[in-house]
Amino acid sequence: SYELTQPPSVSVSPGQTARITCSGDALPKKHAYWYQQKSGQAPVLVIYEDNKRPSGIPGRFSGSSSGTMATLTISGAQVEDEGDYYCYSTDSRGTRGLFGGGTKLTVL
Amino acid sequence: EVQLVESGGGLVQPGGSLGLSCVASGFTLSSHWMSWVRQAPGKGLEWVANIKKDGSEKDYVDSVRGRFTISRDNAKNSLYLQMNSLRAEDTAVYYCTRGVGYCSGAFCYNYFDTWGQGTLVTVSS
Repeated sequence: SYELTQPPSVSVSPGQTARITCSGDALPKKHAYWYQQKSGQAPVLVIYEDNKRPSGIPGRFSGSSSGTMATLTISGAQVEDEGDYYCYSTDSRGTRGLFGGGTKLTVL
Repeated sequence: EVQLVESGGGLVQPGGSLGLSCVASGFTLSSHWMSWVRQAPGKGLEWVANIKKDGSEKDYVDSVRGRFTISRDNAKNSLYLQMNSLRAEDTAVYYCTRGVGYCSGAFCYNYFDTWGQGTLVTVSS
């Protein structure tokens, strides 16, 4: 079955670049999306269609995809960027969704 | 302002039933696929079910297929999730989400651009 695999945790110091990866066999063909979830809050879309940023999301968030891996990059990570990050994609018809296991980002 | 507000969560015994509702405002519900996503305590996100704009097409994660039913009433700006034969592993916060559907090349996609605040369902005796 199709899976999306993320590292459980990533830790950086403030101002450093954080990179969170998501690997999946179908990613060369499929778009990836990224959600940020802060403690006790609903998730927020931070990247869609591999590398597009919704309005209101800071420019330090960017996305890329190459081969079987999608990457969320936070350039100059801030303490307020701490939280859980989830990649997401769909089946070929777009009717069934799948999340990665999530990555806990610590900035300290 | 685009907003989704869920209700209907609570405590239910294993084998019981519960119905969730989600009221949408600030946009035209009939223009969007809608979905339910859940999150078990301390765990990650899990997509649960999708429903097409007009309700004509639905899909479910395998673990709830045959037990859960997603539906919508566009005239009432509402999305629903009827949950039957509930199990302890269904315990989670259930989020109502607005979908953005599109096709690119050979593939179609549906992702979530707006989330409700979630409603907690606890299945326990």
